[in-house]
Amino acid sequence: EAGVAQSPRYKIIEKRQSVAFWCNPISGHATLYWYQQILGQGPKLLIQFQNNGVVDDSQLPKDRFSAERLKGVDSTLKIQPAKLEDSAVYLCASSRTGTYQETQYFGPGTRLLVL
Amino acid sequence: AQSVSQHNHHVILSEAASLELGCNYSYGGTVNLFWYVQYPGQHLQLLLKYFSGDPLVKGIKGFEAEFIKSKFSFNLRKPSVQWSDTAEYFCAVNARNAGNMLTFGGGTRLMVKP
Repeated sequence: EAGVAQSPRYKIIEKRQSVAFWCNPISGHATLYWYQQILGQGPKLLIQFQNNGVVDDSQLPKDRFSAERLKGVDSTLKIQPAKLEDSAVYLCASSRTGTYQETQYFGPGTRLLVL
Repeated sequence: AQSVSQHNHHVILSEAASLELGCNYSYGGTVNLFWYVQYPGQHLQLLLKYFSGDPLVKGIKGFEAEFIKSKFSFNLRKPSVQWSDTAEYFCAVNARNAGNMLTFGGGTRLMVKP
């Protein structure tokens, strides 16, 4: 089966610009996650969707970050305006359901550099 | 909230050496434990997981991990590493009352010398 797809793979922007990332989860997976991985650290969950509803966005900096999953399949994560500290890899993951026993499958990530 | 610490940030081994990577978590309740691996240029993938039962869990590629509840630990082991095991290894935990929210450790970068 096809894995989690993400685009773009790399993005370089200047601070205060906006940027958007796209994720297509594994077919049939109801739950979608966005993680931020800063260099030298482990991934940190930003937001979790169950179908098209938000389950947890407690660690999403809502003043500049937004995410949506309108039709319960693809998702976009947006940063507006970007700051230097947003430089990181943004990982998308999906799981069949949102229960704790489900394995999360990760995409290749989008590497963002903010100058 | 749960937290995860991985003691070794960088490990260098020669082929055929034994490997043990430490992982400790902080959470008072019941947890599920995972090890993920990221090979160079590839995405994160699951190595093994523990939910319940036998605390010694076997994963892919000869890896295993042991859950020691009294020590809040879930160390990863492999008796004999290969050059192809060069990768970054992440320990992760989720709490059974927190849905599927994974908390990751900072990762251990393993380099195996041929």
